[in-house]
Amino acid sequence: GAGVSQSPRYKVAKRGQDVALRCDPISGHVSLFWYQQALGQGPEFLTYFQNEAQLDKSGLPSDRFFAERPEGSVSTLKIQRTQQEDSAVYLCASSPKPGLAGVPGELFFGEGSRLTVL
Amino acid sequence: DQQVKQNSPSLSVQEGRISILNCDYTNSMFDYFLWYKKYPAEGPTFLISISSIKDKNEDGRFTVFLNKSAKHLSLHIVPSQPGDSAVYFCAASGGNNFNKFYFGSGTKLNVKP
Repeated sequence: GAGVSQSPRYKVAKRGQDVALRCDPISGHVSLFWYQQALGQGPEFLTYFQNEAQLDKSGLPSDRFFAERPEGSVSTLKIQRTQQEDSAVYLCASSPKPGLAGVPGELFFGEGSRLTVL
Repeated sequence: DQQVKQNSPSLSVQEGRISILNCDYTNSMFDYFLWYKKYPAEGPTFLISISSIKDKNEDGRFTVFLNKSAKHLSLHIVPSQPGDSAVYFCAASGGNNFNKFYFGSGTKLNVKP
């Protein structure tokens, strides 16, 4: 499809397990963002990539969270030793321009990956 | 500390009437504001935006008003339609970080036929 694709859509993990969430942005999009949305809350920024460079990781809640985008297209968000408080929907968004220069209508979100940690 | 707040978790409106969704922010450095709409099991989609140099922006049935002195913005939907039923998120950007949006917690709008 032409939109941002995320997988898996749903993931159930046991506490302590490692998980990996994948984002396929729109082809050619320079910027890629990860957001975390807890139940009943708005999305919260995690990290930002411009091509393969991770320019901002100020929102990552702990060193258990790691994101990469090695070839400047697909990105993976990895969470090590998952905890119950990691349960959330993880949203990926992409944009054709650097940072938020493409706003307002050019930031496209995927459907999200819902992570449940038991 | 939440910099963008939507204090009404839900709103119910009759079809054809006006829906008014409110949003408050605390950071005076924010210079761009947006509204996103989200249906269940889908990602947020952009609806309308406003720059801090304006106080109103209109797009069809949707109008966003910005009151900088009160650090308040609102989204008006006129007339409301059942298909408008969704969760609406207010978001802001600017200040010392140009790479991220700050989102409110959302308002669930229900438009009754």
